[in-house]
Amino acid sequence: NAGVTQTPKFRVLKTGQSMTLLCAQDMNHEYMYWYRQDPGMGLRLIHYSVGEGTTAKGEVPDGYNVSRLKKQNFLLGLESAAPSQTSVYFCASSYSYGGRGGTGELFFGEGSRLTVL
Amino acid sequence: SQQGEEDPQALSIQEGENATMNCSYKTSINNLQWYRQNSGRGLVHLILIRSNEREKHSGRLRVTLDTSKKSSSLLITASRAADTASYFCATPNTGGFKTIFGAGTRLFVKA
Repeated sequence: NAGVTQTPKFRVLKTGQSMTLLCAQDMNHEYMYWYRQDPGMGLRLIHYSVGEGTTAKGEVPDGYNVSRLKKQNFLLGLESAAPSQTSVYFCASSYSYGGRGGTGELFFGEGSRLTVL
Repeated sequence: SQQGEEDPQALSIQEGENATMNCSYKTSINNLQWYRQNSGRGLVHLILIRSNEREKHSGRLRVTLDTSKKSSSLLITASRAADTASYFCATPNTGGFKTIFGAGTRLFVKA
């Protein structure tokens, strides 16, 4: 049982390049999330998905796009990378959400460290 | 905007001492969660406390919740060097789909 797997773990891009981060979970979770973590700012939600074929914007969605074509996968894309997108990106999934009595406990991947030069 | 804010930002203690971290939040919640992050790793869920609970224990962890003050605390008793990590409180937003994290408390336990 791998849990949440992120690829790649490290990537260096030049400004203007594009790339896709892949998140895969094997827990049959409905909900999936992409966060970015910057020093002193905690985790900020980029985009999330409440089920296959759905996506929604989080706190900091600009410059990113996502897709959830299969329930187990959640892709995060950068169309034209900027130095401000240098960060550590975390994918998470959950079985339930925090409203209506659900717990919303999140299971995280190990992170993808992206540097944009 | 940050829903949860931890205090202190950093904490350094000796092995065997207790560590207390505090979290404040802004809106009504259904539950509050605490996560741990070891250096260079992903976050791991530690404990969840529901809005109708005041205190919860799990091993050496004790969490309290005061909904009137919109605050929570995490106590780690008899700390160990292996407890060195960052600790985050997290709360679902009012709609419940999104979990919002604070900036975290960095705990350093000296052996």
